Amino acid sequence: GAVVSQHPSWVICKSGTSVKIECRSLDFQATTMFWYRQFPKQSLMLMATSNEGSKATYEQGVEKDKFLINHASLTLSTLTVTSAHPEDSSFYICSASGTGIVDTQYFGPGTRLTVL
Amino acid sequence: AQKITQTQPGMFVQEKEAVTLDCTYDTSDPSYGLFWYKQPSSGEMIFLIYQGSYDQQNATEGRYSLNFQKARKSANLVISASQLGDSAMYFCAMREGHAGNNRKLIWGLGTSLAVNP
Repeated sequence: GAVVSQHPSWVICKSGTSVKIECRSLDFQATTMFWYRQFPKQSLMLMATSNEGSKATYEQGVEKDKFLINHASLTLSTLTVTSAHPEDSSFYICSASGTGIVDTQYFGPGTRLTVL
Repeated sequence: AQKITQTQPGMFVQEKEAVTLDCTYDTSDPSYGLFWYKQPSSGEMIFLIYQGSYDQQNATEGRYSLNFQKARKSANLVISASQLGDSAMYFCAMREGHAGNNRKLIWGLGTSLAVNP
């Protein structure tokens, strides 16, 4: 149990375009989802926390107009990188926590974004 | 301020031997949770083990055990009988406050473990 999927697993896009990443909890209700960014050989950097039906809470320094987060249902959250630039290239990974599962966050497999 | 410190950027261990990955934490909250995650080269984060601050016994999950020393504020991960598949990055993380899944985690920088055949 406690499976989180993420789609796509990798994406290459041109500078200036927008990219949407989906995060789904497959076998539990995710009341809270977290979005992270990770650079090579570095730790996870929390971008934002989203609770179902509420606006996301962004960490300091994260542009909420650039990284749009939607958590419209208990099984789906999306991250949209708007007007992507090469510096947005990174590994984006989501996690979910919720009712009926062990008290921790369960992670999706991640999305590798490359902006040309 | 809350903080997680992992002082070992890289570790080597011989296959079938045990290895300890260090983690110290700093918090003023008497209620907190400590986690270890494994990240293989594929990138996925795999939850390994959890220790609550009020838990009387050290957590164990199969070959993983957490050496929780509250007075020293340390939560070291012990992997017994290392396997080649244990080669990965290992992250220690902390959540402040009592059980609450909507609370964010504070992450250490990670330790890269290489298991030699």
